[in-house]
Amino acid sequence: QSVLTQPPSVSGAPGQRVTISCTGSSSNIGAGYEVHWYQQLPGTAPKVLIHDNTNRPSGVPDRFSGSKSGTSASLAISGLQPEDEADYYCQSYDYMLSGSRVFGGGTKLTVL
Amino acid sequence: QVQLVQSGAEVKKPGASVKVSCKASGYTFSNYDINWVRQATGQGLQWMGWMNPKSGNTGYAQKFQGRVTMTRNTSISTAYMELSGLRSDDTAFYYCARTRGWRKDFDSWGQGTLVTVYS
Repeated sequence: QSVLTQPPSVSGAPGQRVTISCTGSSSNIGAGYEVHWYQQLPGTAPKVLIHDNTNRPSGVPDRFSGSKSGTSASLAISGLQPEDEADYYCQSYDYMLSGSRVFGGGTKLTVL
Repeated sequence: QVQLVQSGAEVKKPGASVKVSCKASGYTFSNYDINWVRQATGQGLQWMGWMNPKSGNTGYAQKFQGRVTMTRNTSISTAYMELSGLRSDDTAFYYCARTRGWRKDFDSWGQGTLVTVYS
């Protein structure tokens, strides 16, 4: 089991909006540590999509947005496009695991 | 531009060791930590540990302590990850990724190195 919990899959039609949740605990997200989101297209390395809860690196479309509240975080993707079909991972830091960075189990986004 | 270029695929027997390299370019190597993350086929991402290239300080995930060693050669801006006592469930892609600090994101990744453990 992953320290951060994500739904295994989500889906949506082109143009729709989907959200992916990332649930942690008081030793990671709830402790105030930042949440980062990564997109992994098939056969490629992950790429950062959102850093520090809400910030998009340059080049990432504003269709992607992040939020955080309490022990959870969310990634929202609006105006779904076929090229958004990928795996998405959340990541944070956990102080109970001696310096560990922790990932969610990943969510497969299918664009119908 | 920032690049992390990893060494090629490896096939190892159970019990052997593997050493994967990660050559950095396009930035000052000593200014960013290098982390290692692995991914078995069809599975999620698993953080293995970090290394500070300036000091050589390291920190390893509990799961890998005693089996993993992370080193660097600053003269050629290259980081290394050595995993010993290989088992079949170590078969995975191994990625290096840089971070600005322990709370920061992995903002650049290597292309991945497939390590296959096969008897």
